[in-house]
Amino acid sequence: ETGVTQSPTHLIKTRGQQVTLRCSSQSGHNTVSWYQQALGQGPQFIFQYYREEENGRGNFPPRFSGLQFPNYSSELNVNALELDDSALYLCASSFGGTGFSGANVLTFGAGSRLTVL
Amino acid sequence: AQTVTQSQPEMSVQEAETVTLSCTYDTSESDYYLFWYKQPPSRQMILVIRQEAYKQQNATENRFSVNFQKAAKSFSLKISDSQLGDAAMYFCAYNTVGNNDMRFGAGTRLTVKP
Repeated sequence: ETGVTQSPTHLIKTRGQQVTLRCSSQSGHNTVSWYQQALGQGPQFIFQYYREEENGRGNFPPRFSGLQFPNYSSELNVNALELDDSALYLCASSFGGTGFSGANVLTFGAGSRLTVL
Repeated sequence: AQTVTQSQPEMSVQEAETVTLSCTYDTSESDYYLFWYKQPPSRQMILVIRQEAYKQQNATENRFSVNFQKAAKSFSLKISDSQLGDAAMYFCAYNTVGNNDMRFGAGTRLTVKP
């Protein structure tokens, strides 16, 4: 059973640039959630993808967007990068269906550390 | 809005001793789930323990147990026989039935002294 893998592990961008982060979900999982973890804080929910569609979104602007592919892997795209976007971006997969129970245990990847200069 | 508060930014414990990490939450829901996640320096969040709010019995997983006080909206984690490998950031998290927005506290950094 493979776990959640994320790439790249570290990257540096400058303000105004665009970035794409990638996530492969754990085998058997069909749902991917993305979280932003600023330094010294807990993770903040960005959005979740289920059946290739966005299935819930946190308080993040539209320049944060995502995709889910038929193999359940996912991408997080951030346009017009700002300094405050510097953070660890965590991907988590789970198995869910319609009417999420909330009990679904999230399996996290090791994250992508983004630094915006 | 549901919020999760961890009032202890840092905690320290001697190896083999017991330590309790505190967590409180705010919600108007009656049915929900609570979690403790561990984040070691490798950054990968690992589930430690989960509690369903409708269950009165406190969850236990080997050396890890919780004290769930629903009326007080408190969910503390007790680590017994602490080991060096327990050193990490610990996050308390909350999620409701039918929701996909898991809420995390700010975390408690646990140091284990040999």
